[in-house]
Amino acid sequence: ILNVEQSPQSLHVQEGDSTNFTCSFPSSNFYALHWYRWETAKSPEALFVMTLNGDEKKKGRISATLNTKEGYSYLYIKGSQPEDSATYLCASTPWGGYNKLIFGAGTRLAVHP
Amino acid sequence: NAGVTQTPKFQVLKTGQSMTLQCAQDMNHEYMSWYRQDPGMGLRLIHYSVGAGITDQGEVPNGYNVSRSTTEDFPLRLLSAAPSQTSVYFCASRVTPNTGELFFGEGSRLTVL
Repeated sequence: ILNVEQSPQSLHVQEGDSTNFTCSFPSSNFYALHWYRWETAKSPEALFVMTLNGDEKKKGRISATLNTKEGYSYLYIKGSQPEDSATYLCASTPWGGYNKLIFGAGTRLAVHP
Repeated sequence: NAGVTQTPKFQVLKTGQSMTLQCAQDMNHEYMSWYRQDPGMGLRLIHYSVGAGITDQGEVPNGYNVSRSTTEDFPLRLLSAAPSQTSVYFCASRVTPNTGELFFGEGSRLTVL
């Protein structure tokens, strides 16, 4: 079973701070990397899906990078706002296991006004 | 836009009882899946389906059955509930089996006494 690790487990920042989280996955067996945003009492919603080494994706103040050779992805939030408070999940699909997403435990972000 | 609909949202069972969690999607997605969410752990894949009549096991299939008689519906059956199955269950779908983001239902919280 593919092991997907996320760090830190939780993060508290002030409004306006920029922050980033890490998702690590086995680089030897990689097909795709997903990021999801999960607000309390709601469903997870997709942010990005990335497949190529060096991929960079951006959506507003949130961006992500992918390094498949070393097995990590970074998620960046620029100028955090209270509405960014959520749990951020990453998931990896292994090569040959295309039907399966293996999720990390998530990073819980709290942005304080 | 209904998207992915799960019922019930909450359920309490006694050990040994059986029940079915319903999942329906109106997006004509080929791929449907069931995950469970437990504290401190990532979403874990229970079963998935790549099309009507086709199902397969995920990471934690024991104690659960699924079927996919139509493209729209993917029910999850607990055959004989155990306290270890106390969890929040999410149904998720995507357009194709191999690629693309997952769309999640709102979750079903199950407690087994």
